[in-house]
Amino acid sequence: AQSVTQPDIHITVSEGASLELRCNYSYGATPYLFWYVQSPGQGLQLLLKYFSGDTLVQGIKGFEAEFKRSQSSFNLRKPSVHWSDAAEYFCAVDNNNDMRFGAGTRLTVKP
Amino acid sequence: DAGVIQSPRHEVTEMGQEVTLRCKPISGHDYLFWYRQTMMRGLELLIYFNNNVPIDDSGMPEDRFSAKMPNASFSTLKIQPSEPRDSAVYFCASRTAGNEQFFGPGTRLTVL
Repeated sequence: AQSVTQPDIHITVSEGASLELRCNYSYGATPYLFWYVQSPGQGLQLLLKYFSGDTLVQGIKGFEAEFKRSQSSFNLRKPSVHWSDAAEYFCAVDNNNDMRFGAGTRLTVKP
Repeated sequence: DAGVIQSPRHEVTEMGQEVTLRCKPISGHDYLFWYRQTMMRGLELLIYFNNNVPIDDSGMPEDRFSAKMPNASFSTLKIQPSEPRDSAVYFCASRTAGNEQFFGPGTRLTVL
């Protein structure tokens, strides 16, 4: 069955520290891959996407993600976290309009 | 463009009442999606349309839920009768083929 797994439900990092949020998917082929961010009471905002080509993709707000086919992973990274990055992050996979979201990772940023 | 517009932003109703949620997609987008978000089940795709035609409604939880898209700029999600377990945030999203989905701000539904 198709699935998206975000192993970490909640992560806490200090402001200025680096961040990596994990995402693994289970699909037969390489689907389209996305990371979205959701602030409390808000909708989902696209951070970045991977369709094809360069496996390291750059997004907004200083985020990047790397697609690793051999690991079926699409981990999100940021070298230095800001307090405003505190939010819920969702990895998503789109396989021919069958869009599946991970359960989300809640990021807390310590001052 | 104003983005995806949803109304109302908040809805409080009593069990048994009919609820209608509305969505205006981004102009030119030919796909429209309805999602439900709850703490227990996360984000679930309910139904999506392509060129106003429902393509996949397998996520609609039961017959109390129905969705329509009478034209390219408007869609509704109706729950009749509503139940407390329908309380959730309902998102609408739109896209063009081969691109990412753009989400609306959501409608927070509370059924008492």
